[in-house]
Amino acid sequence: AQTVTQSQPEMSVQEAETVTLSCTYDTSENNYYLFWYKQPPSRQMILVIRQEAYKQQNATENRFSVNFQKAAKSFSLKISDSQLGDTAMYFCAFMTNTGNQFYFGTGTSLTVIP
Amino acid sequence: ETGVTQSPTHLIKTRGQQVTLRCSSQSGHNTVSWYQQALGQGPQFIFQYYREEENGRGNFPPRFSGLQFPNYSSELNVNALELDDSALYLCASSFPTQGCSYNEQFFGPGTRLTVL
Repeated sequence: AQTVTQSQPEMSVQEAETVTLSCTYDTSENNYYLFWYKQPPSRQMILVIRQEAYKQQNATENRFSVNFQKAAKSFSLKISDSQLGDTAMYFCAFMTNTGNQFYFGTGTSLTVIP
Repeated sequence: ETGVTQSPTHLIKTRGQQVTLRCSSQSGHNTVSWYQQALGQGPQFIFQYYREEENGRGNFPPRFSGLQFPNYSSELNVNALELDDSALYLCASSFPTQGCSYNEQFFGPGTRLTVL
């Protein structure tokens, strides 16, 4: 079974500062994908960043980057130069290489303070 | 290109009733997945439809059923509603790409179901 754990229910950061959201997961699979999704108050889940487990290089997307530690089964999200529009729920998610469903964590509510 | 849409936006039902939620997939997408997101929780996979056939199911009872139509839109039906069915129901569409094991799923805005 696959599980995803987000241990930070709520976090806040000052505008323009950097924040890191934590995620750990458990799986017996060797090939899989990891994701961070953002869910603003509009409720629509938006893909922030994706990491393939077979890639050692950490994924980056503009101000968003991940720290992927495969052996530790850890997948944290770093948001640099935080903006007010980053305020949202952030979900860490997992998908096996052969699967068709996401396994989501319980989310971290991020508030960017002006 | 039209994104994923869902209807209705909000719905209130009473315990024991039946409900149908609808999802229109993104243009060109033939796969639709449904998720239940209870308050304060992450989405939980209900099932997926691919070319009108069920293609995987999560840990939900048979009173959760679905359909996919030839235009790839989809319905989620829930019978004998229970209070715990109150949640945000999300659908996501994707298009399997040959040779690619991951296919990005695009989510709709969800339907908020309240069961009283």
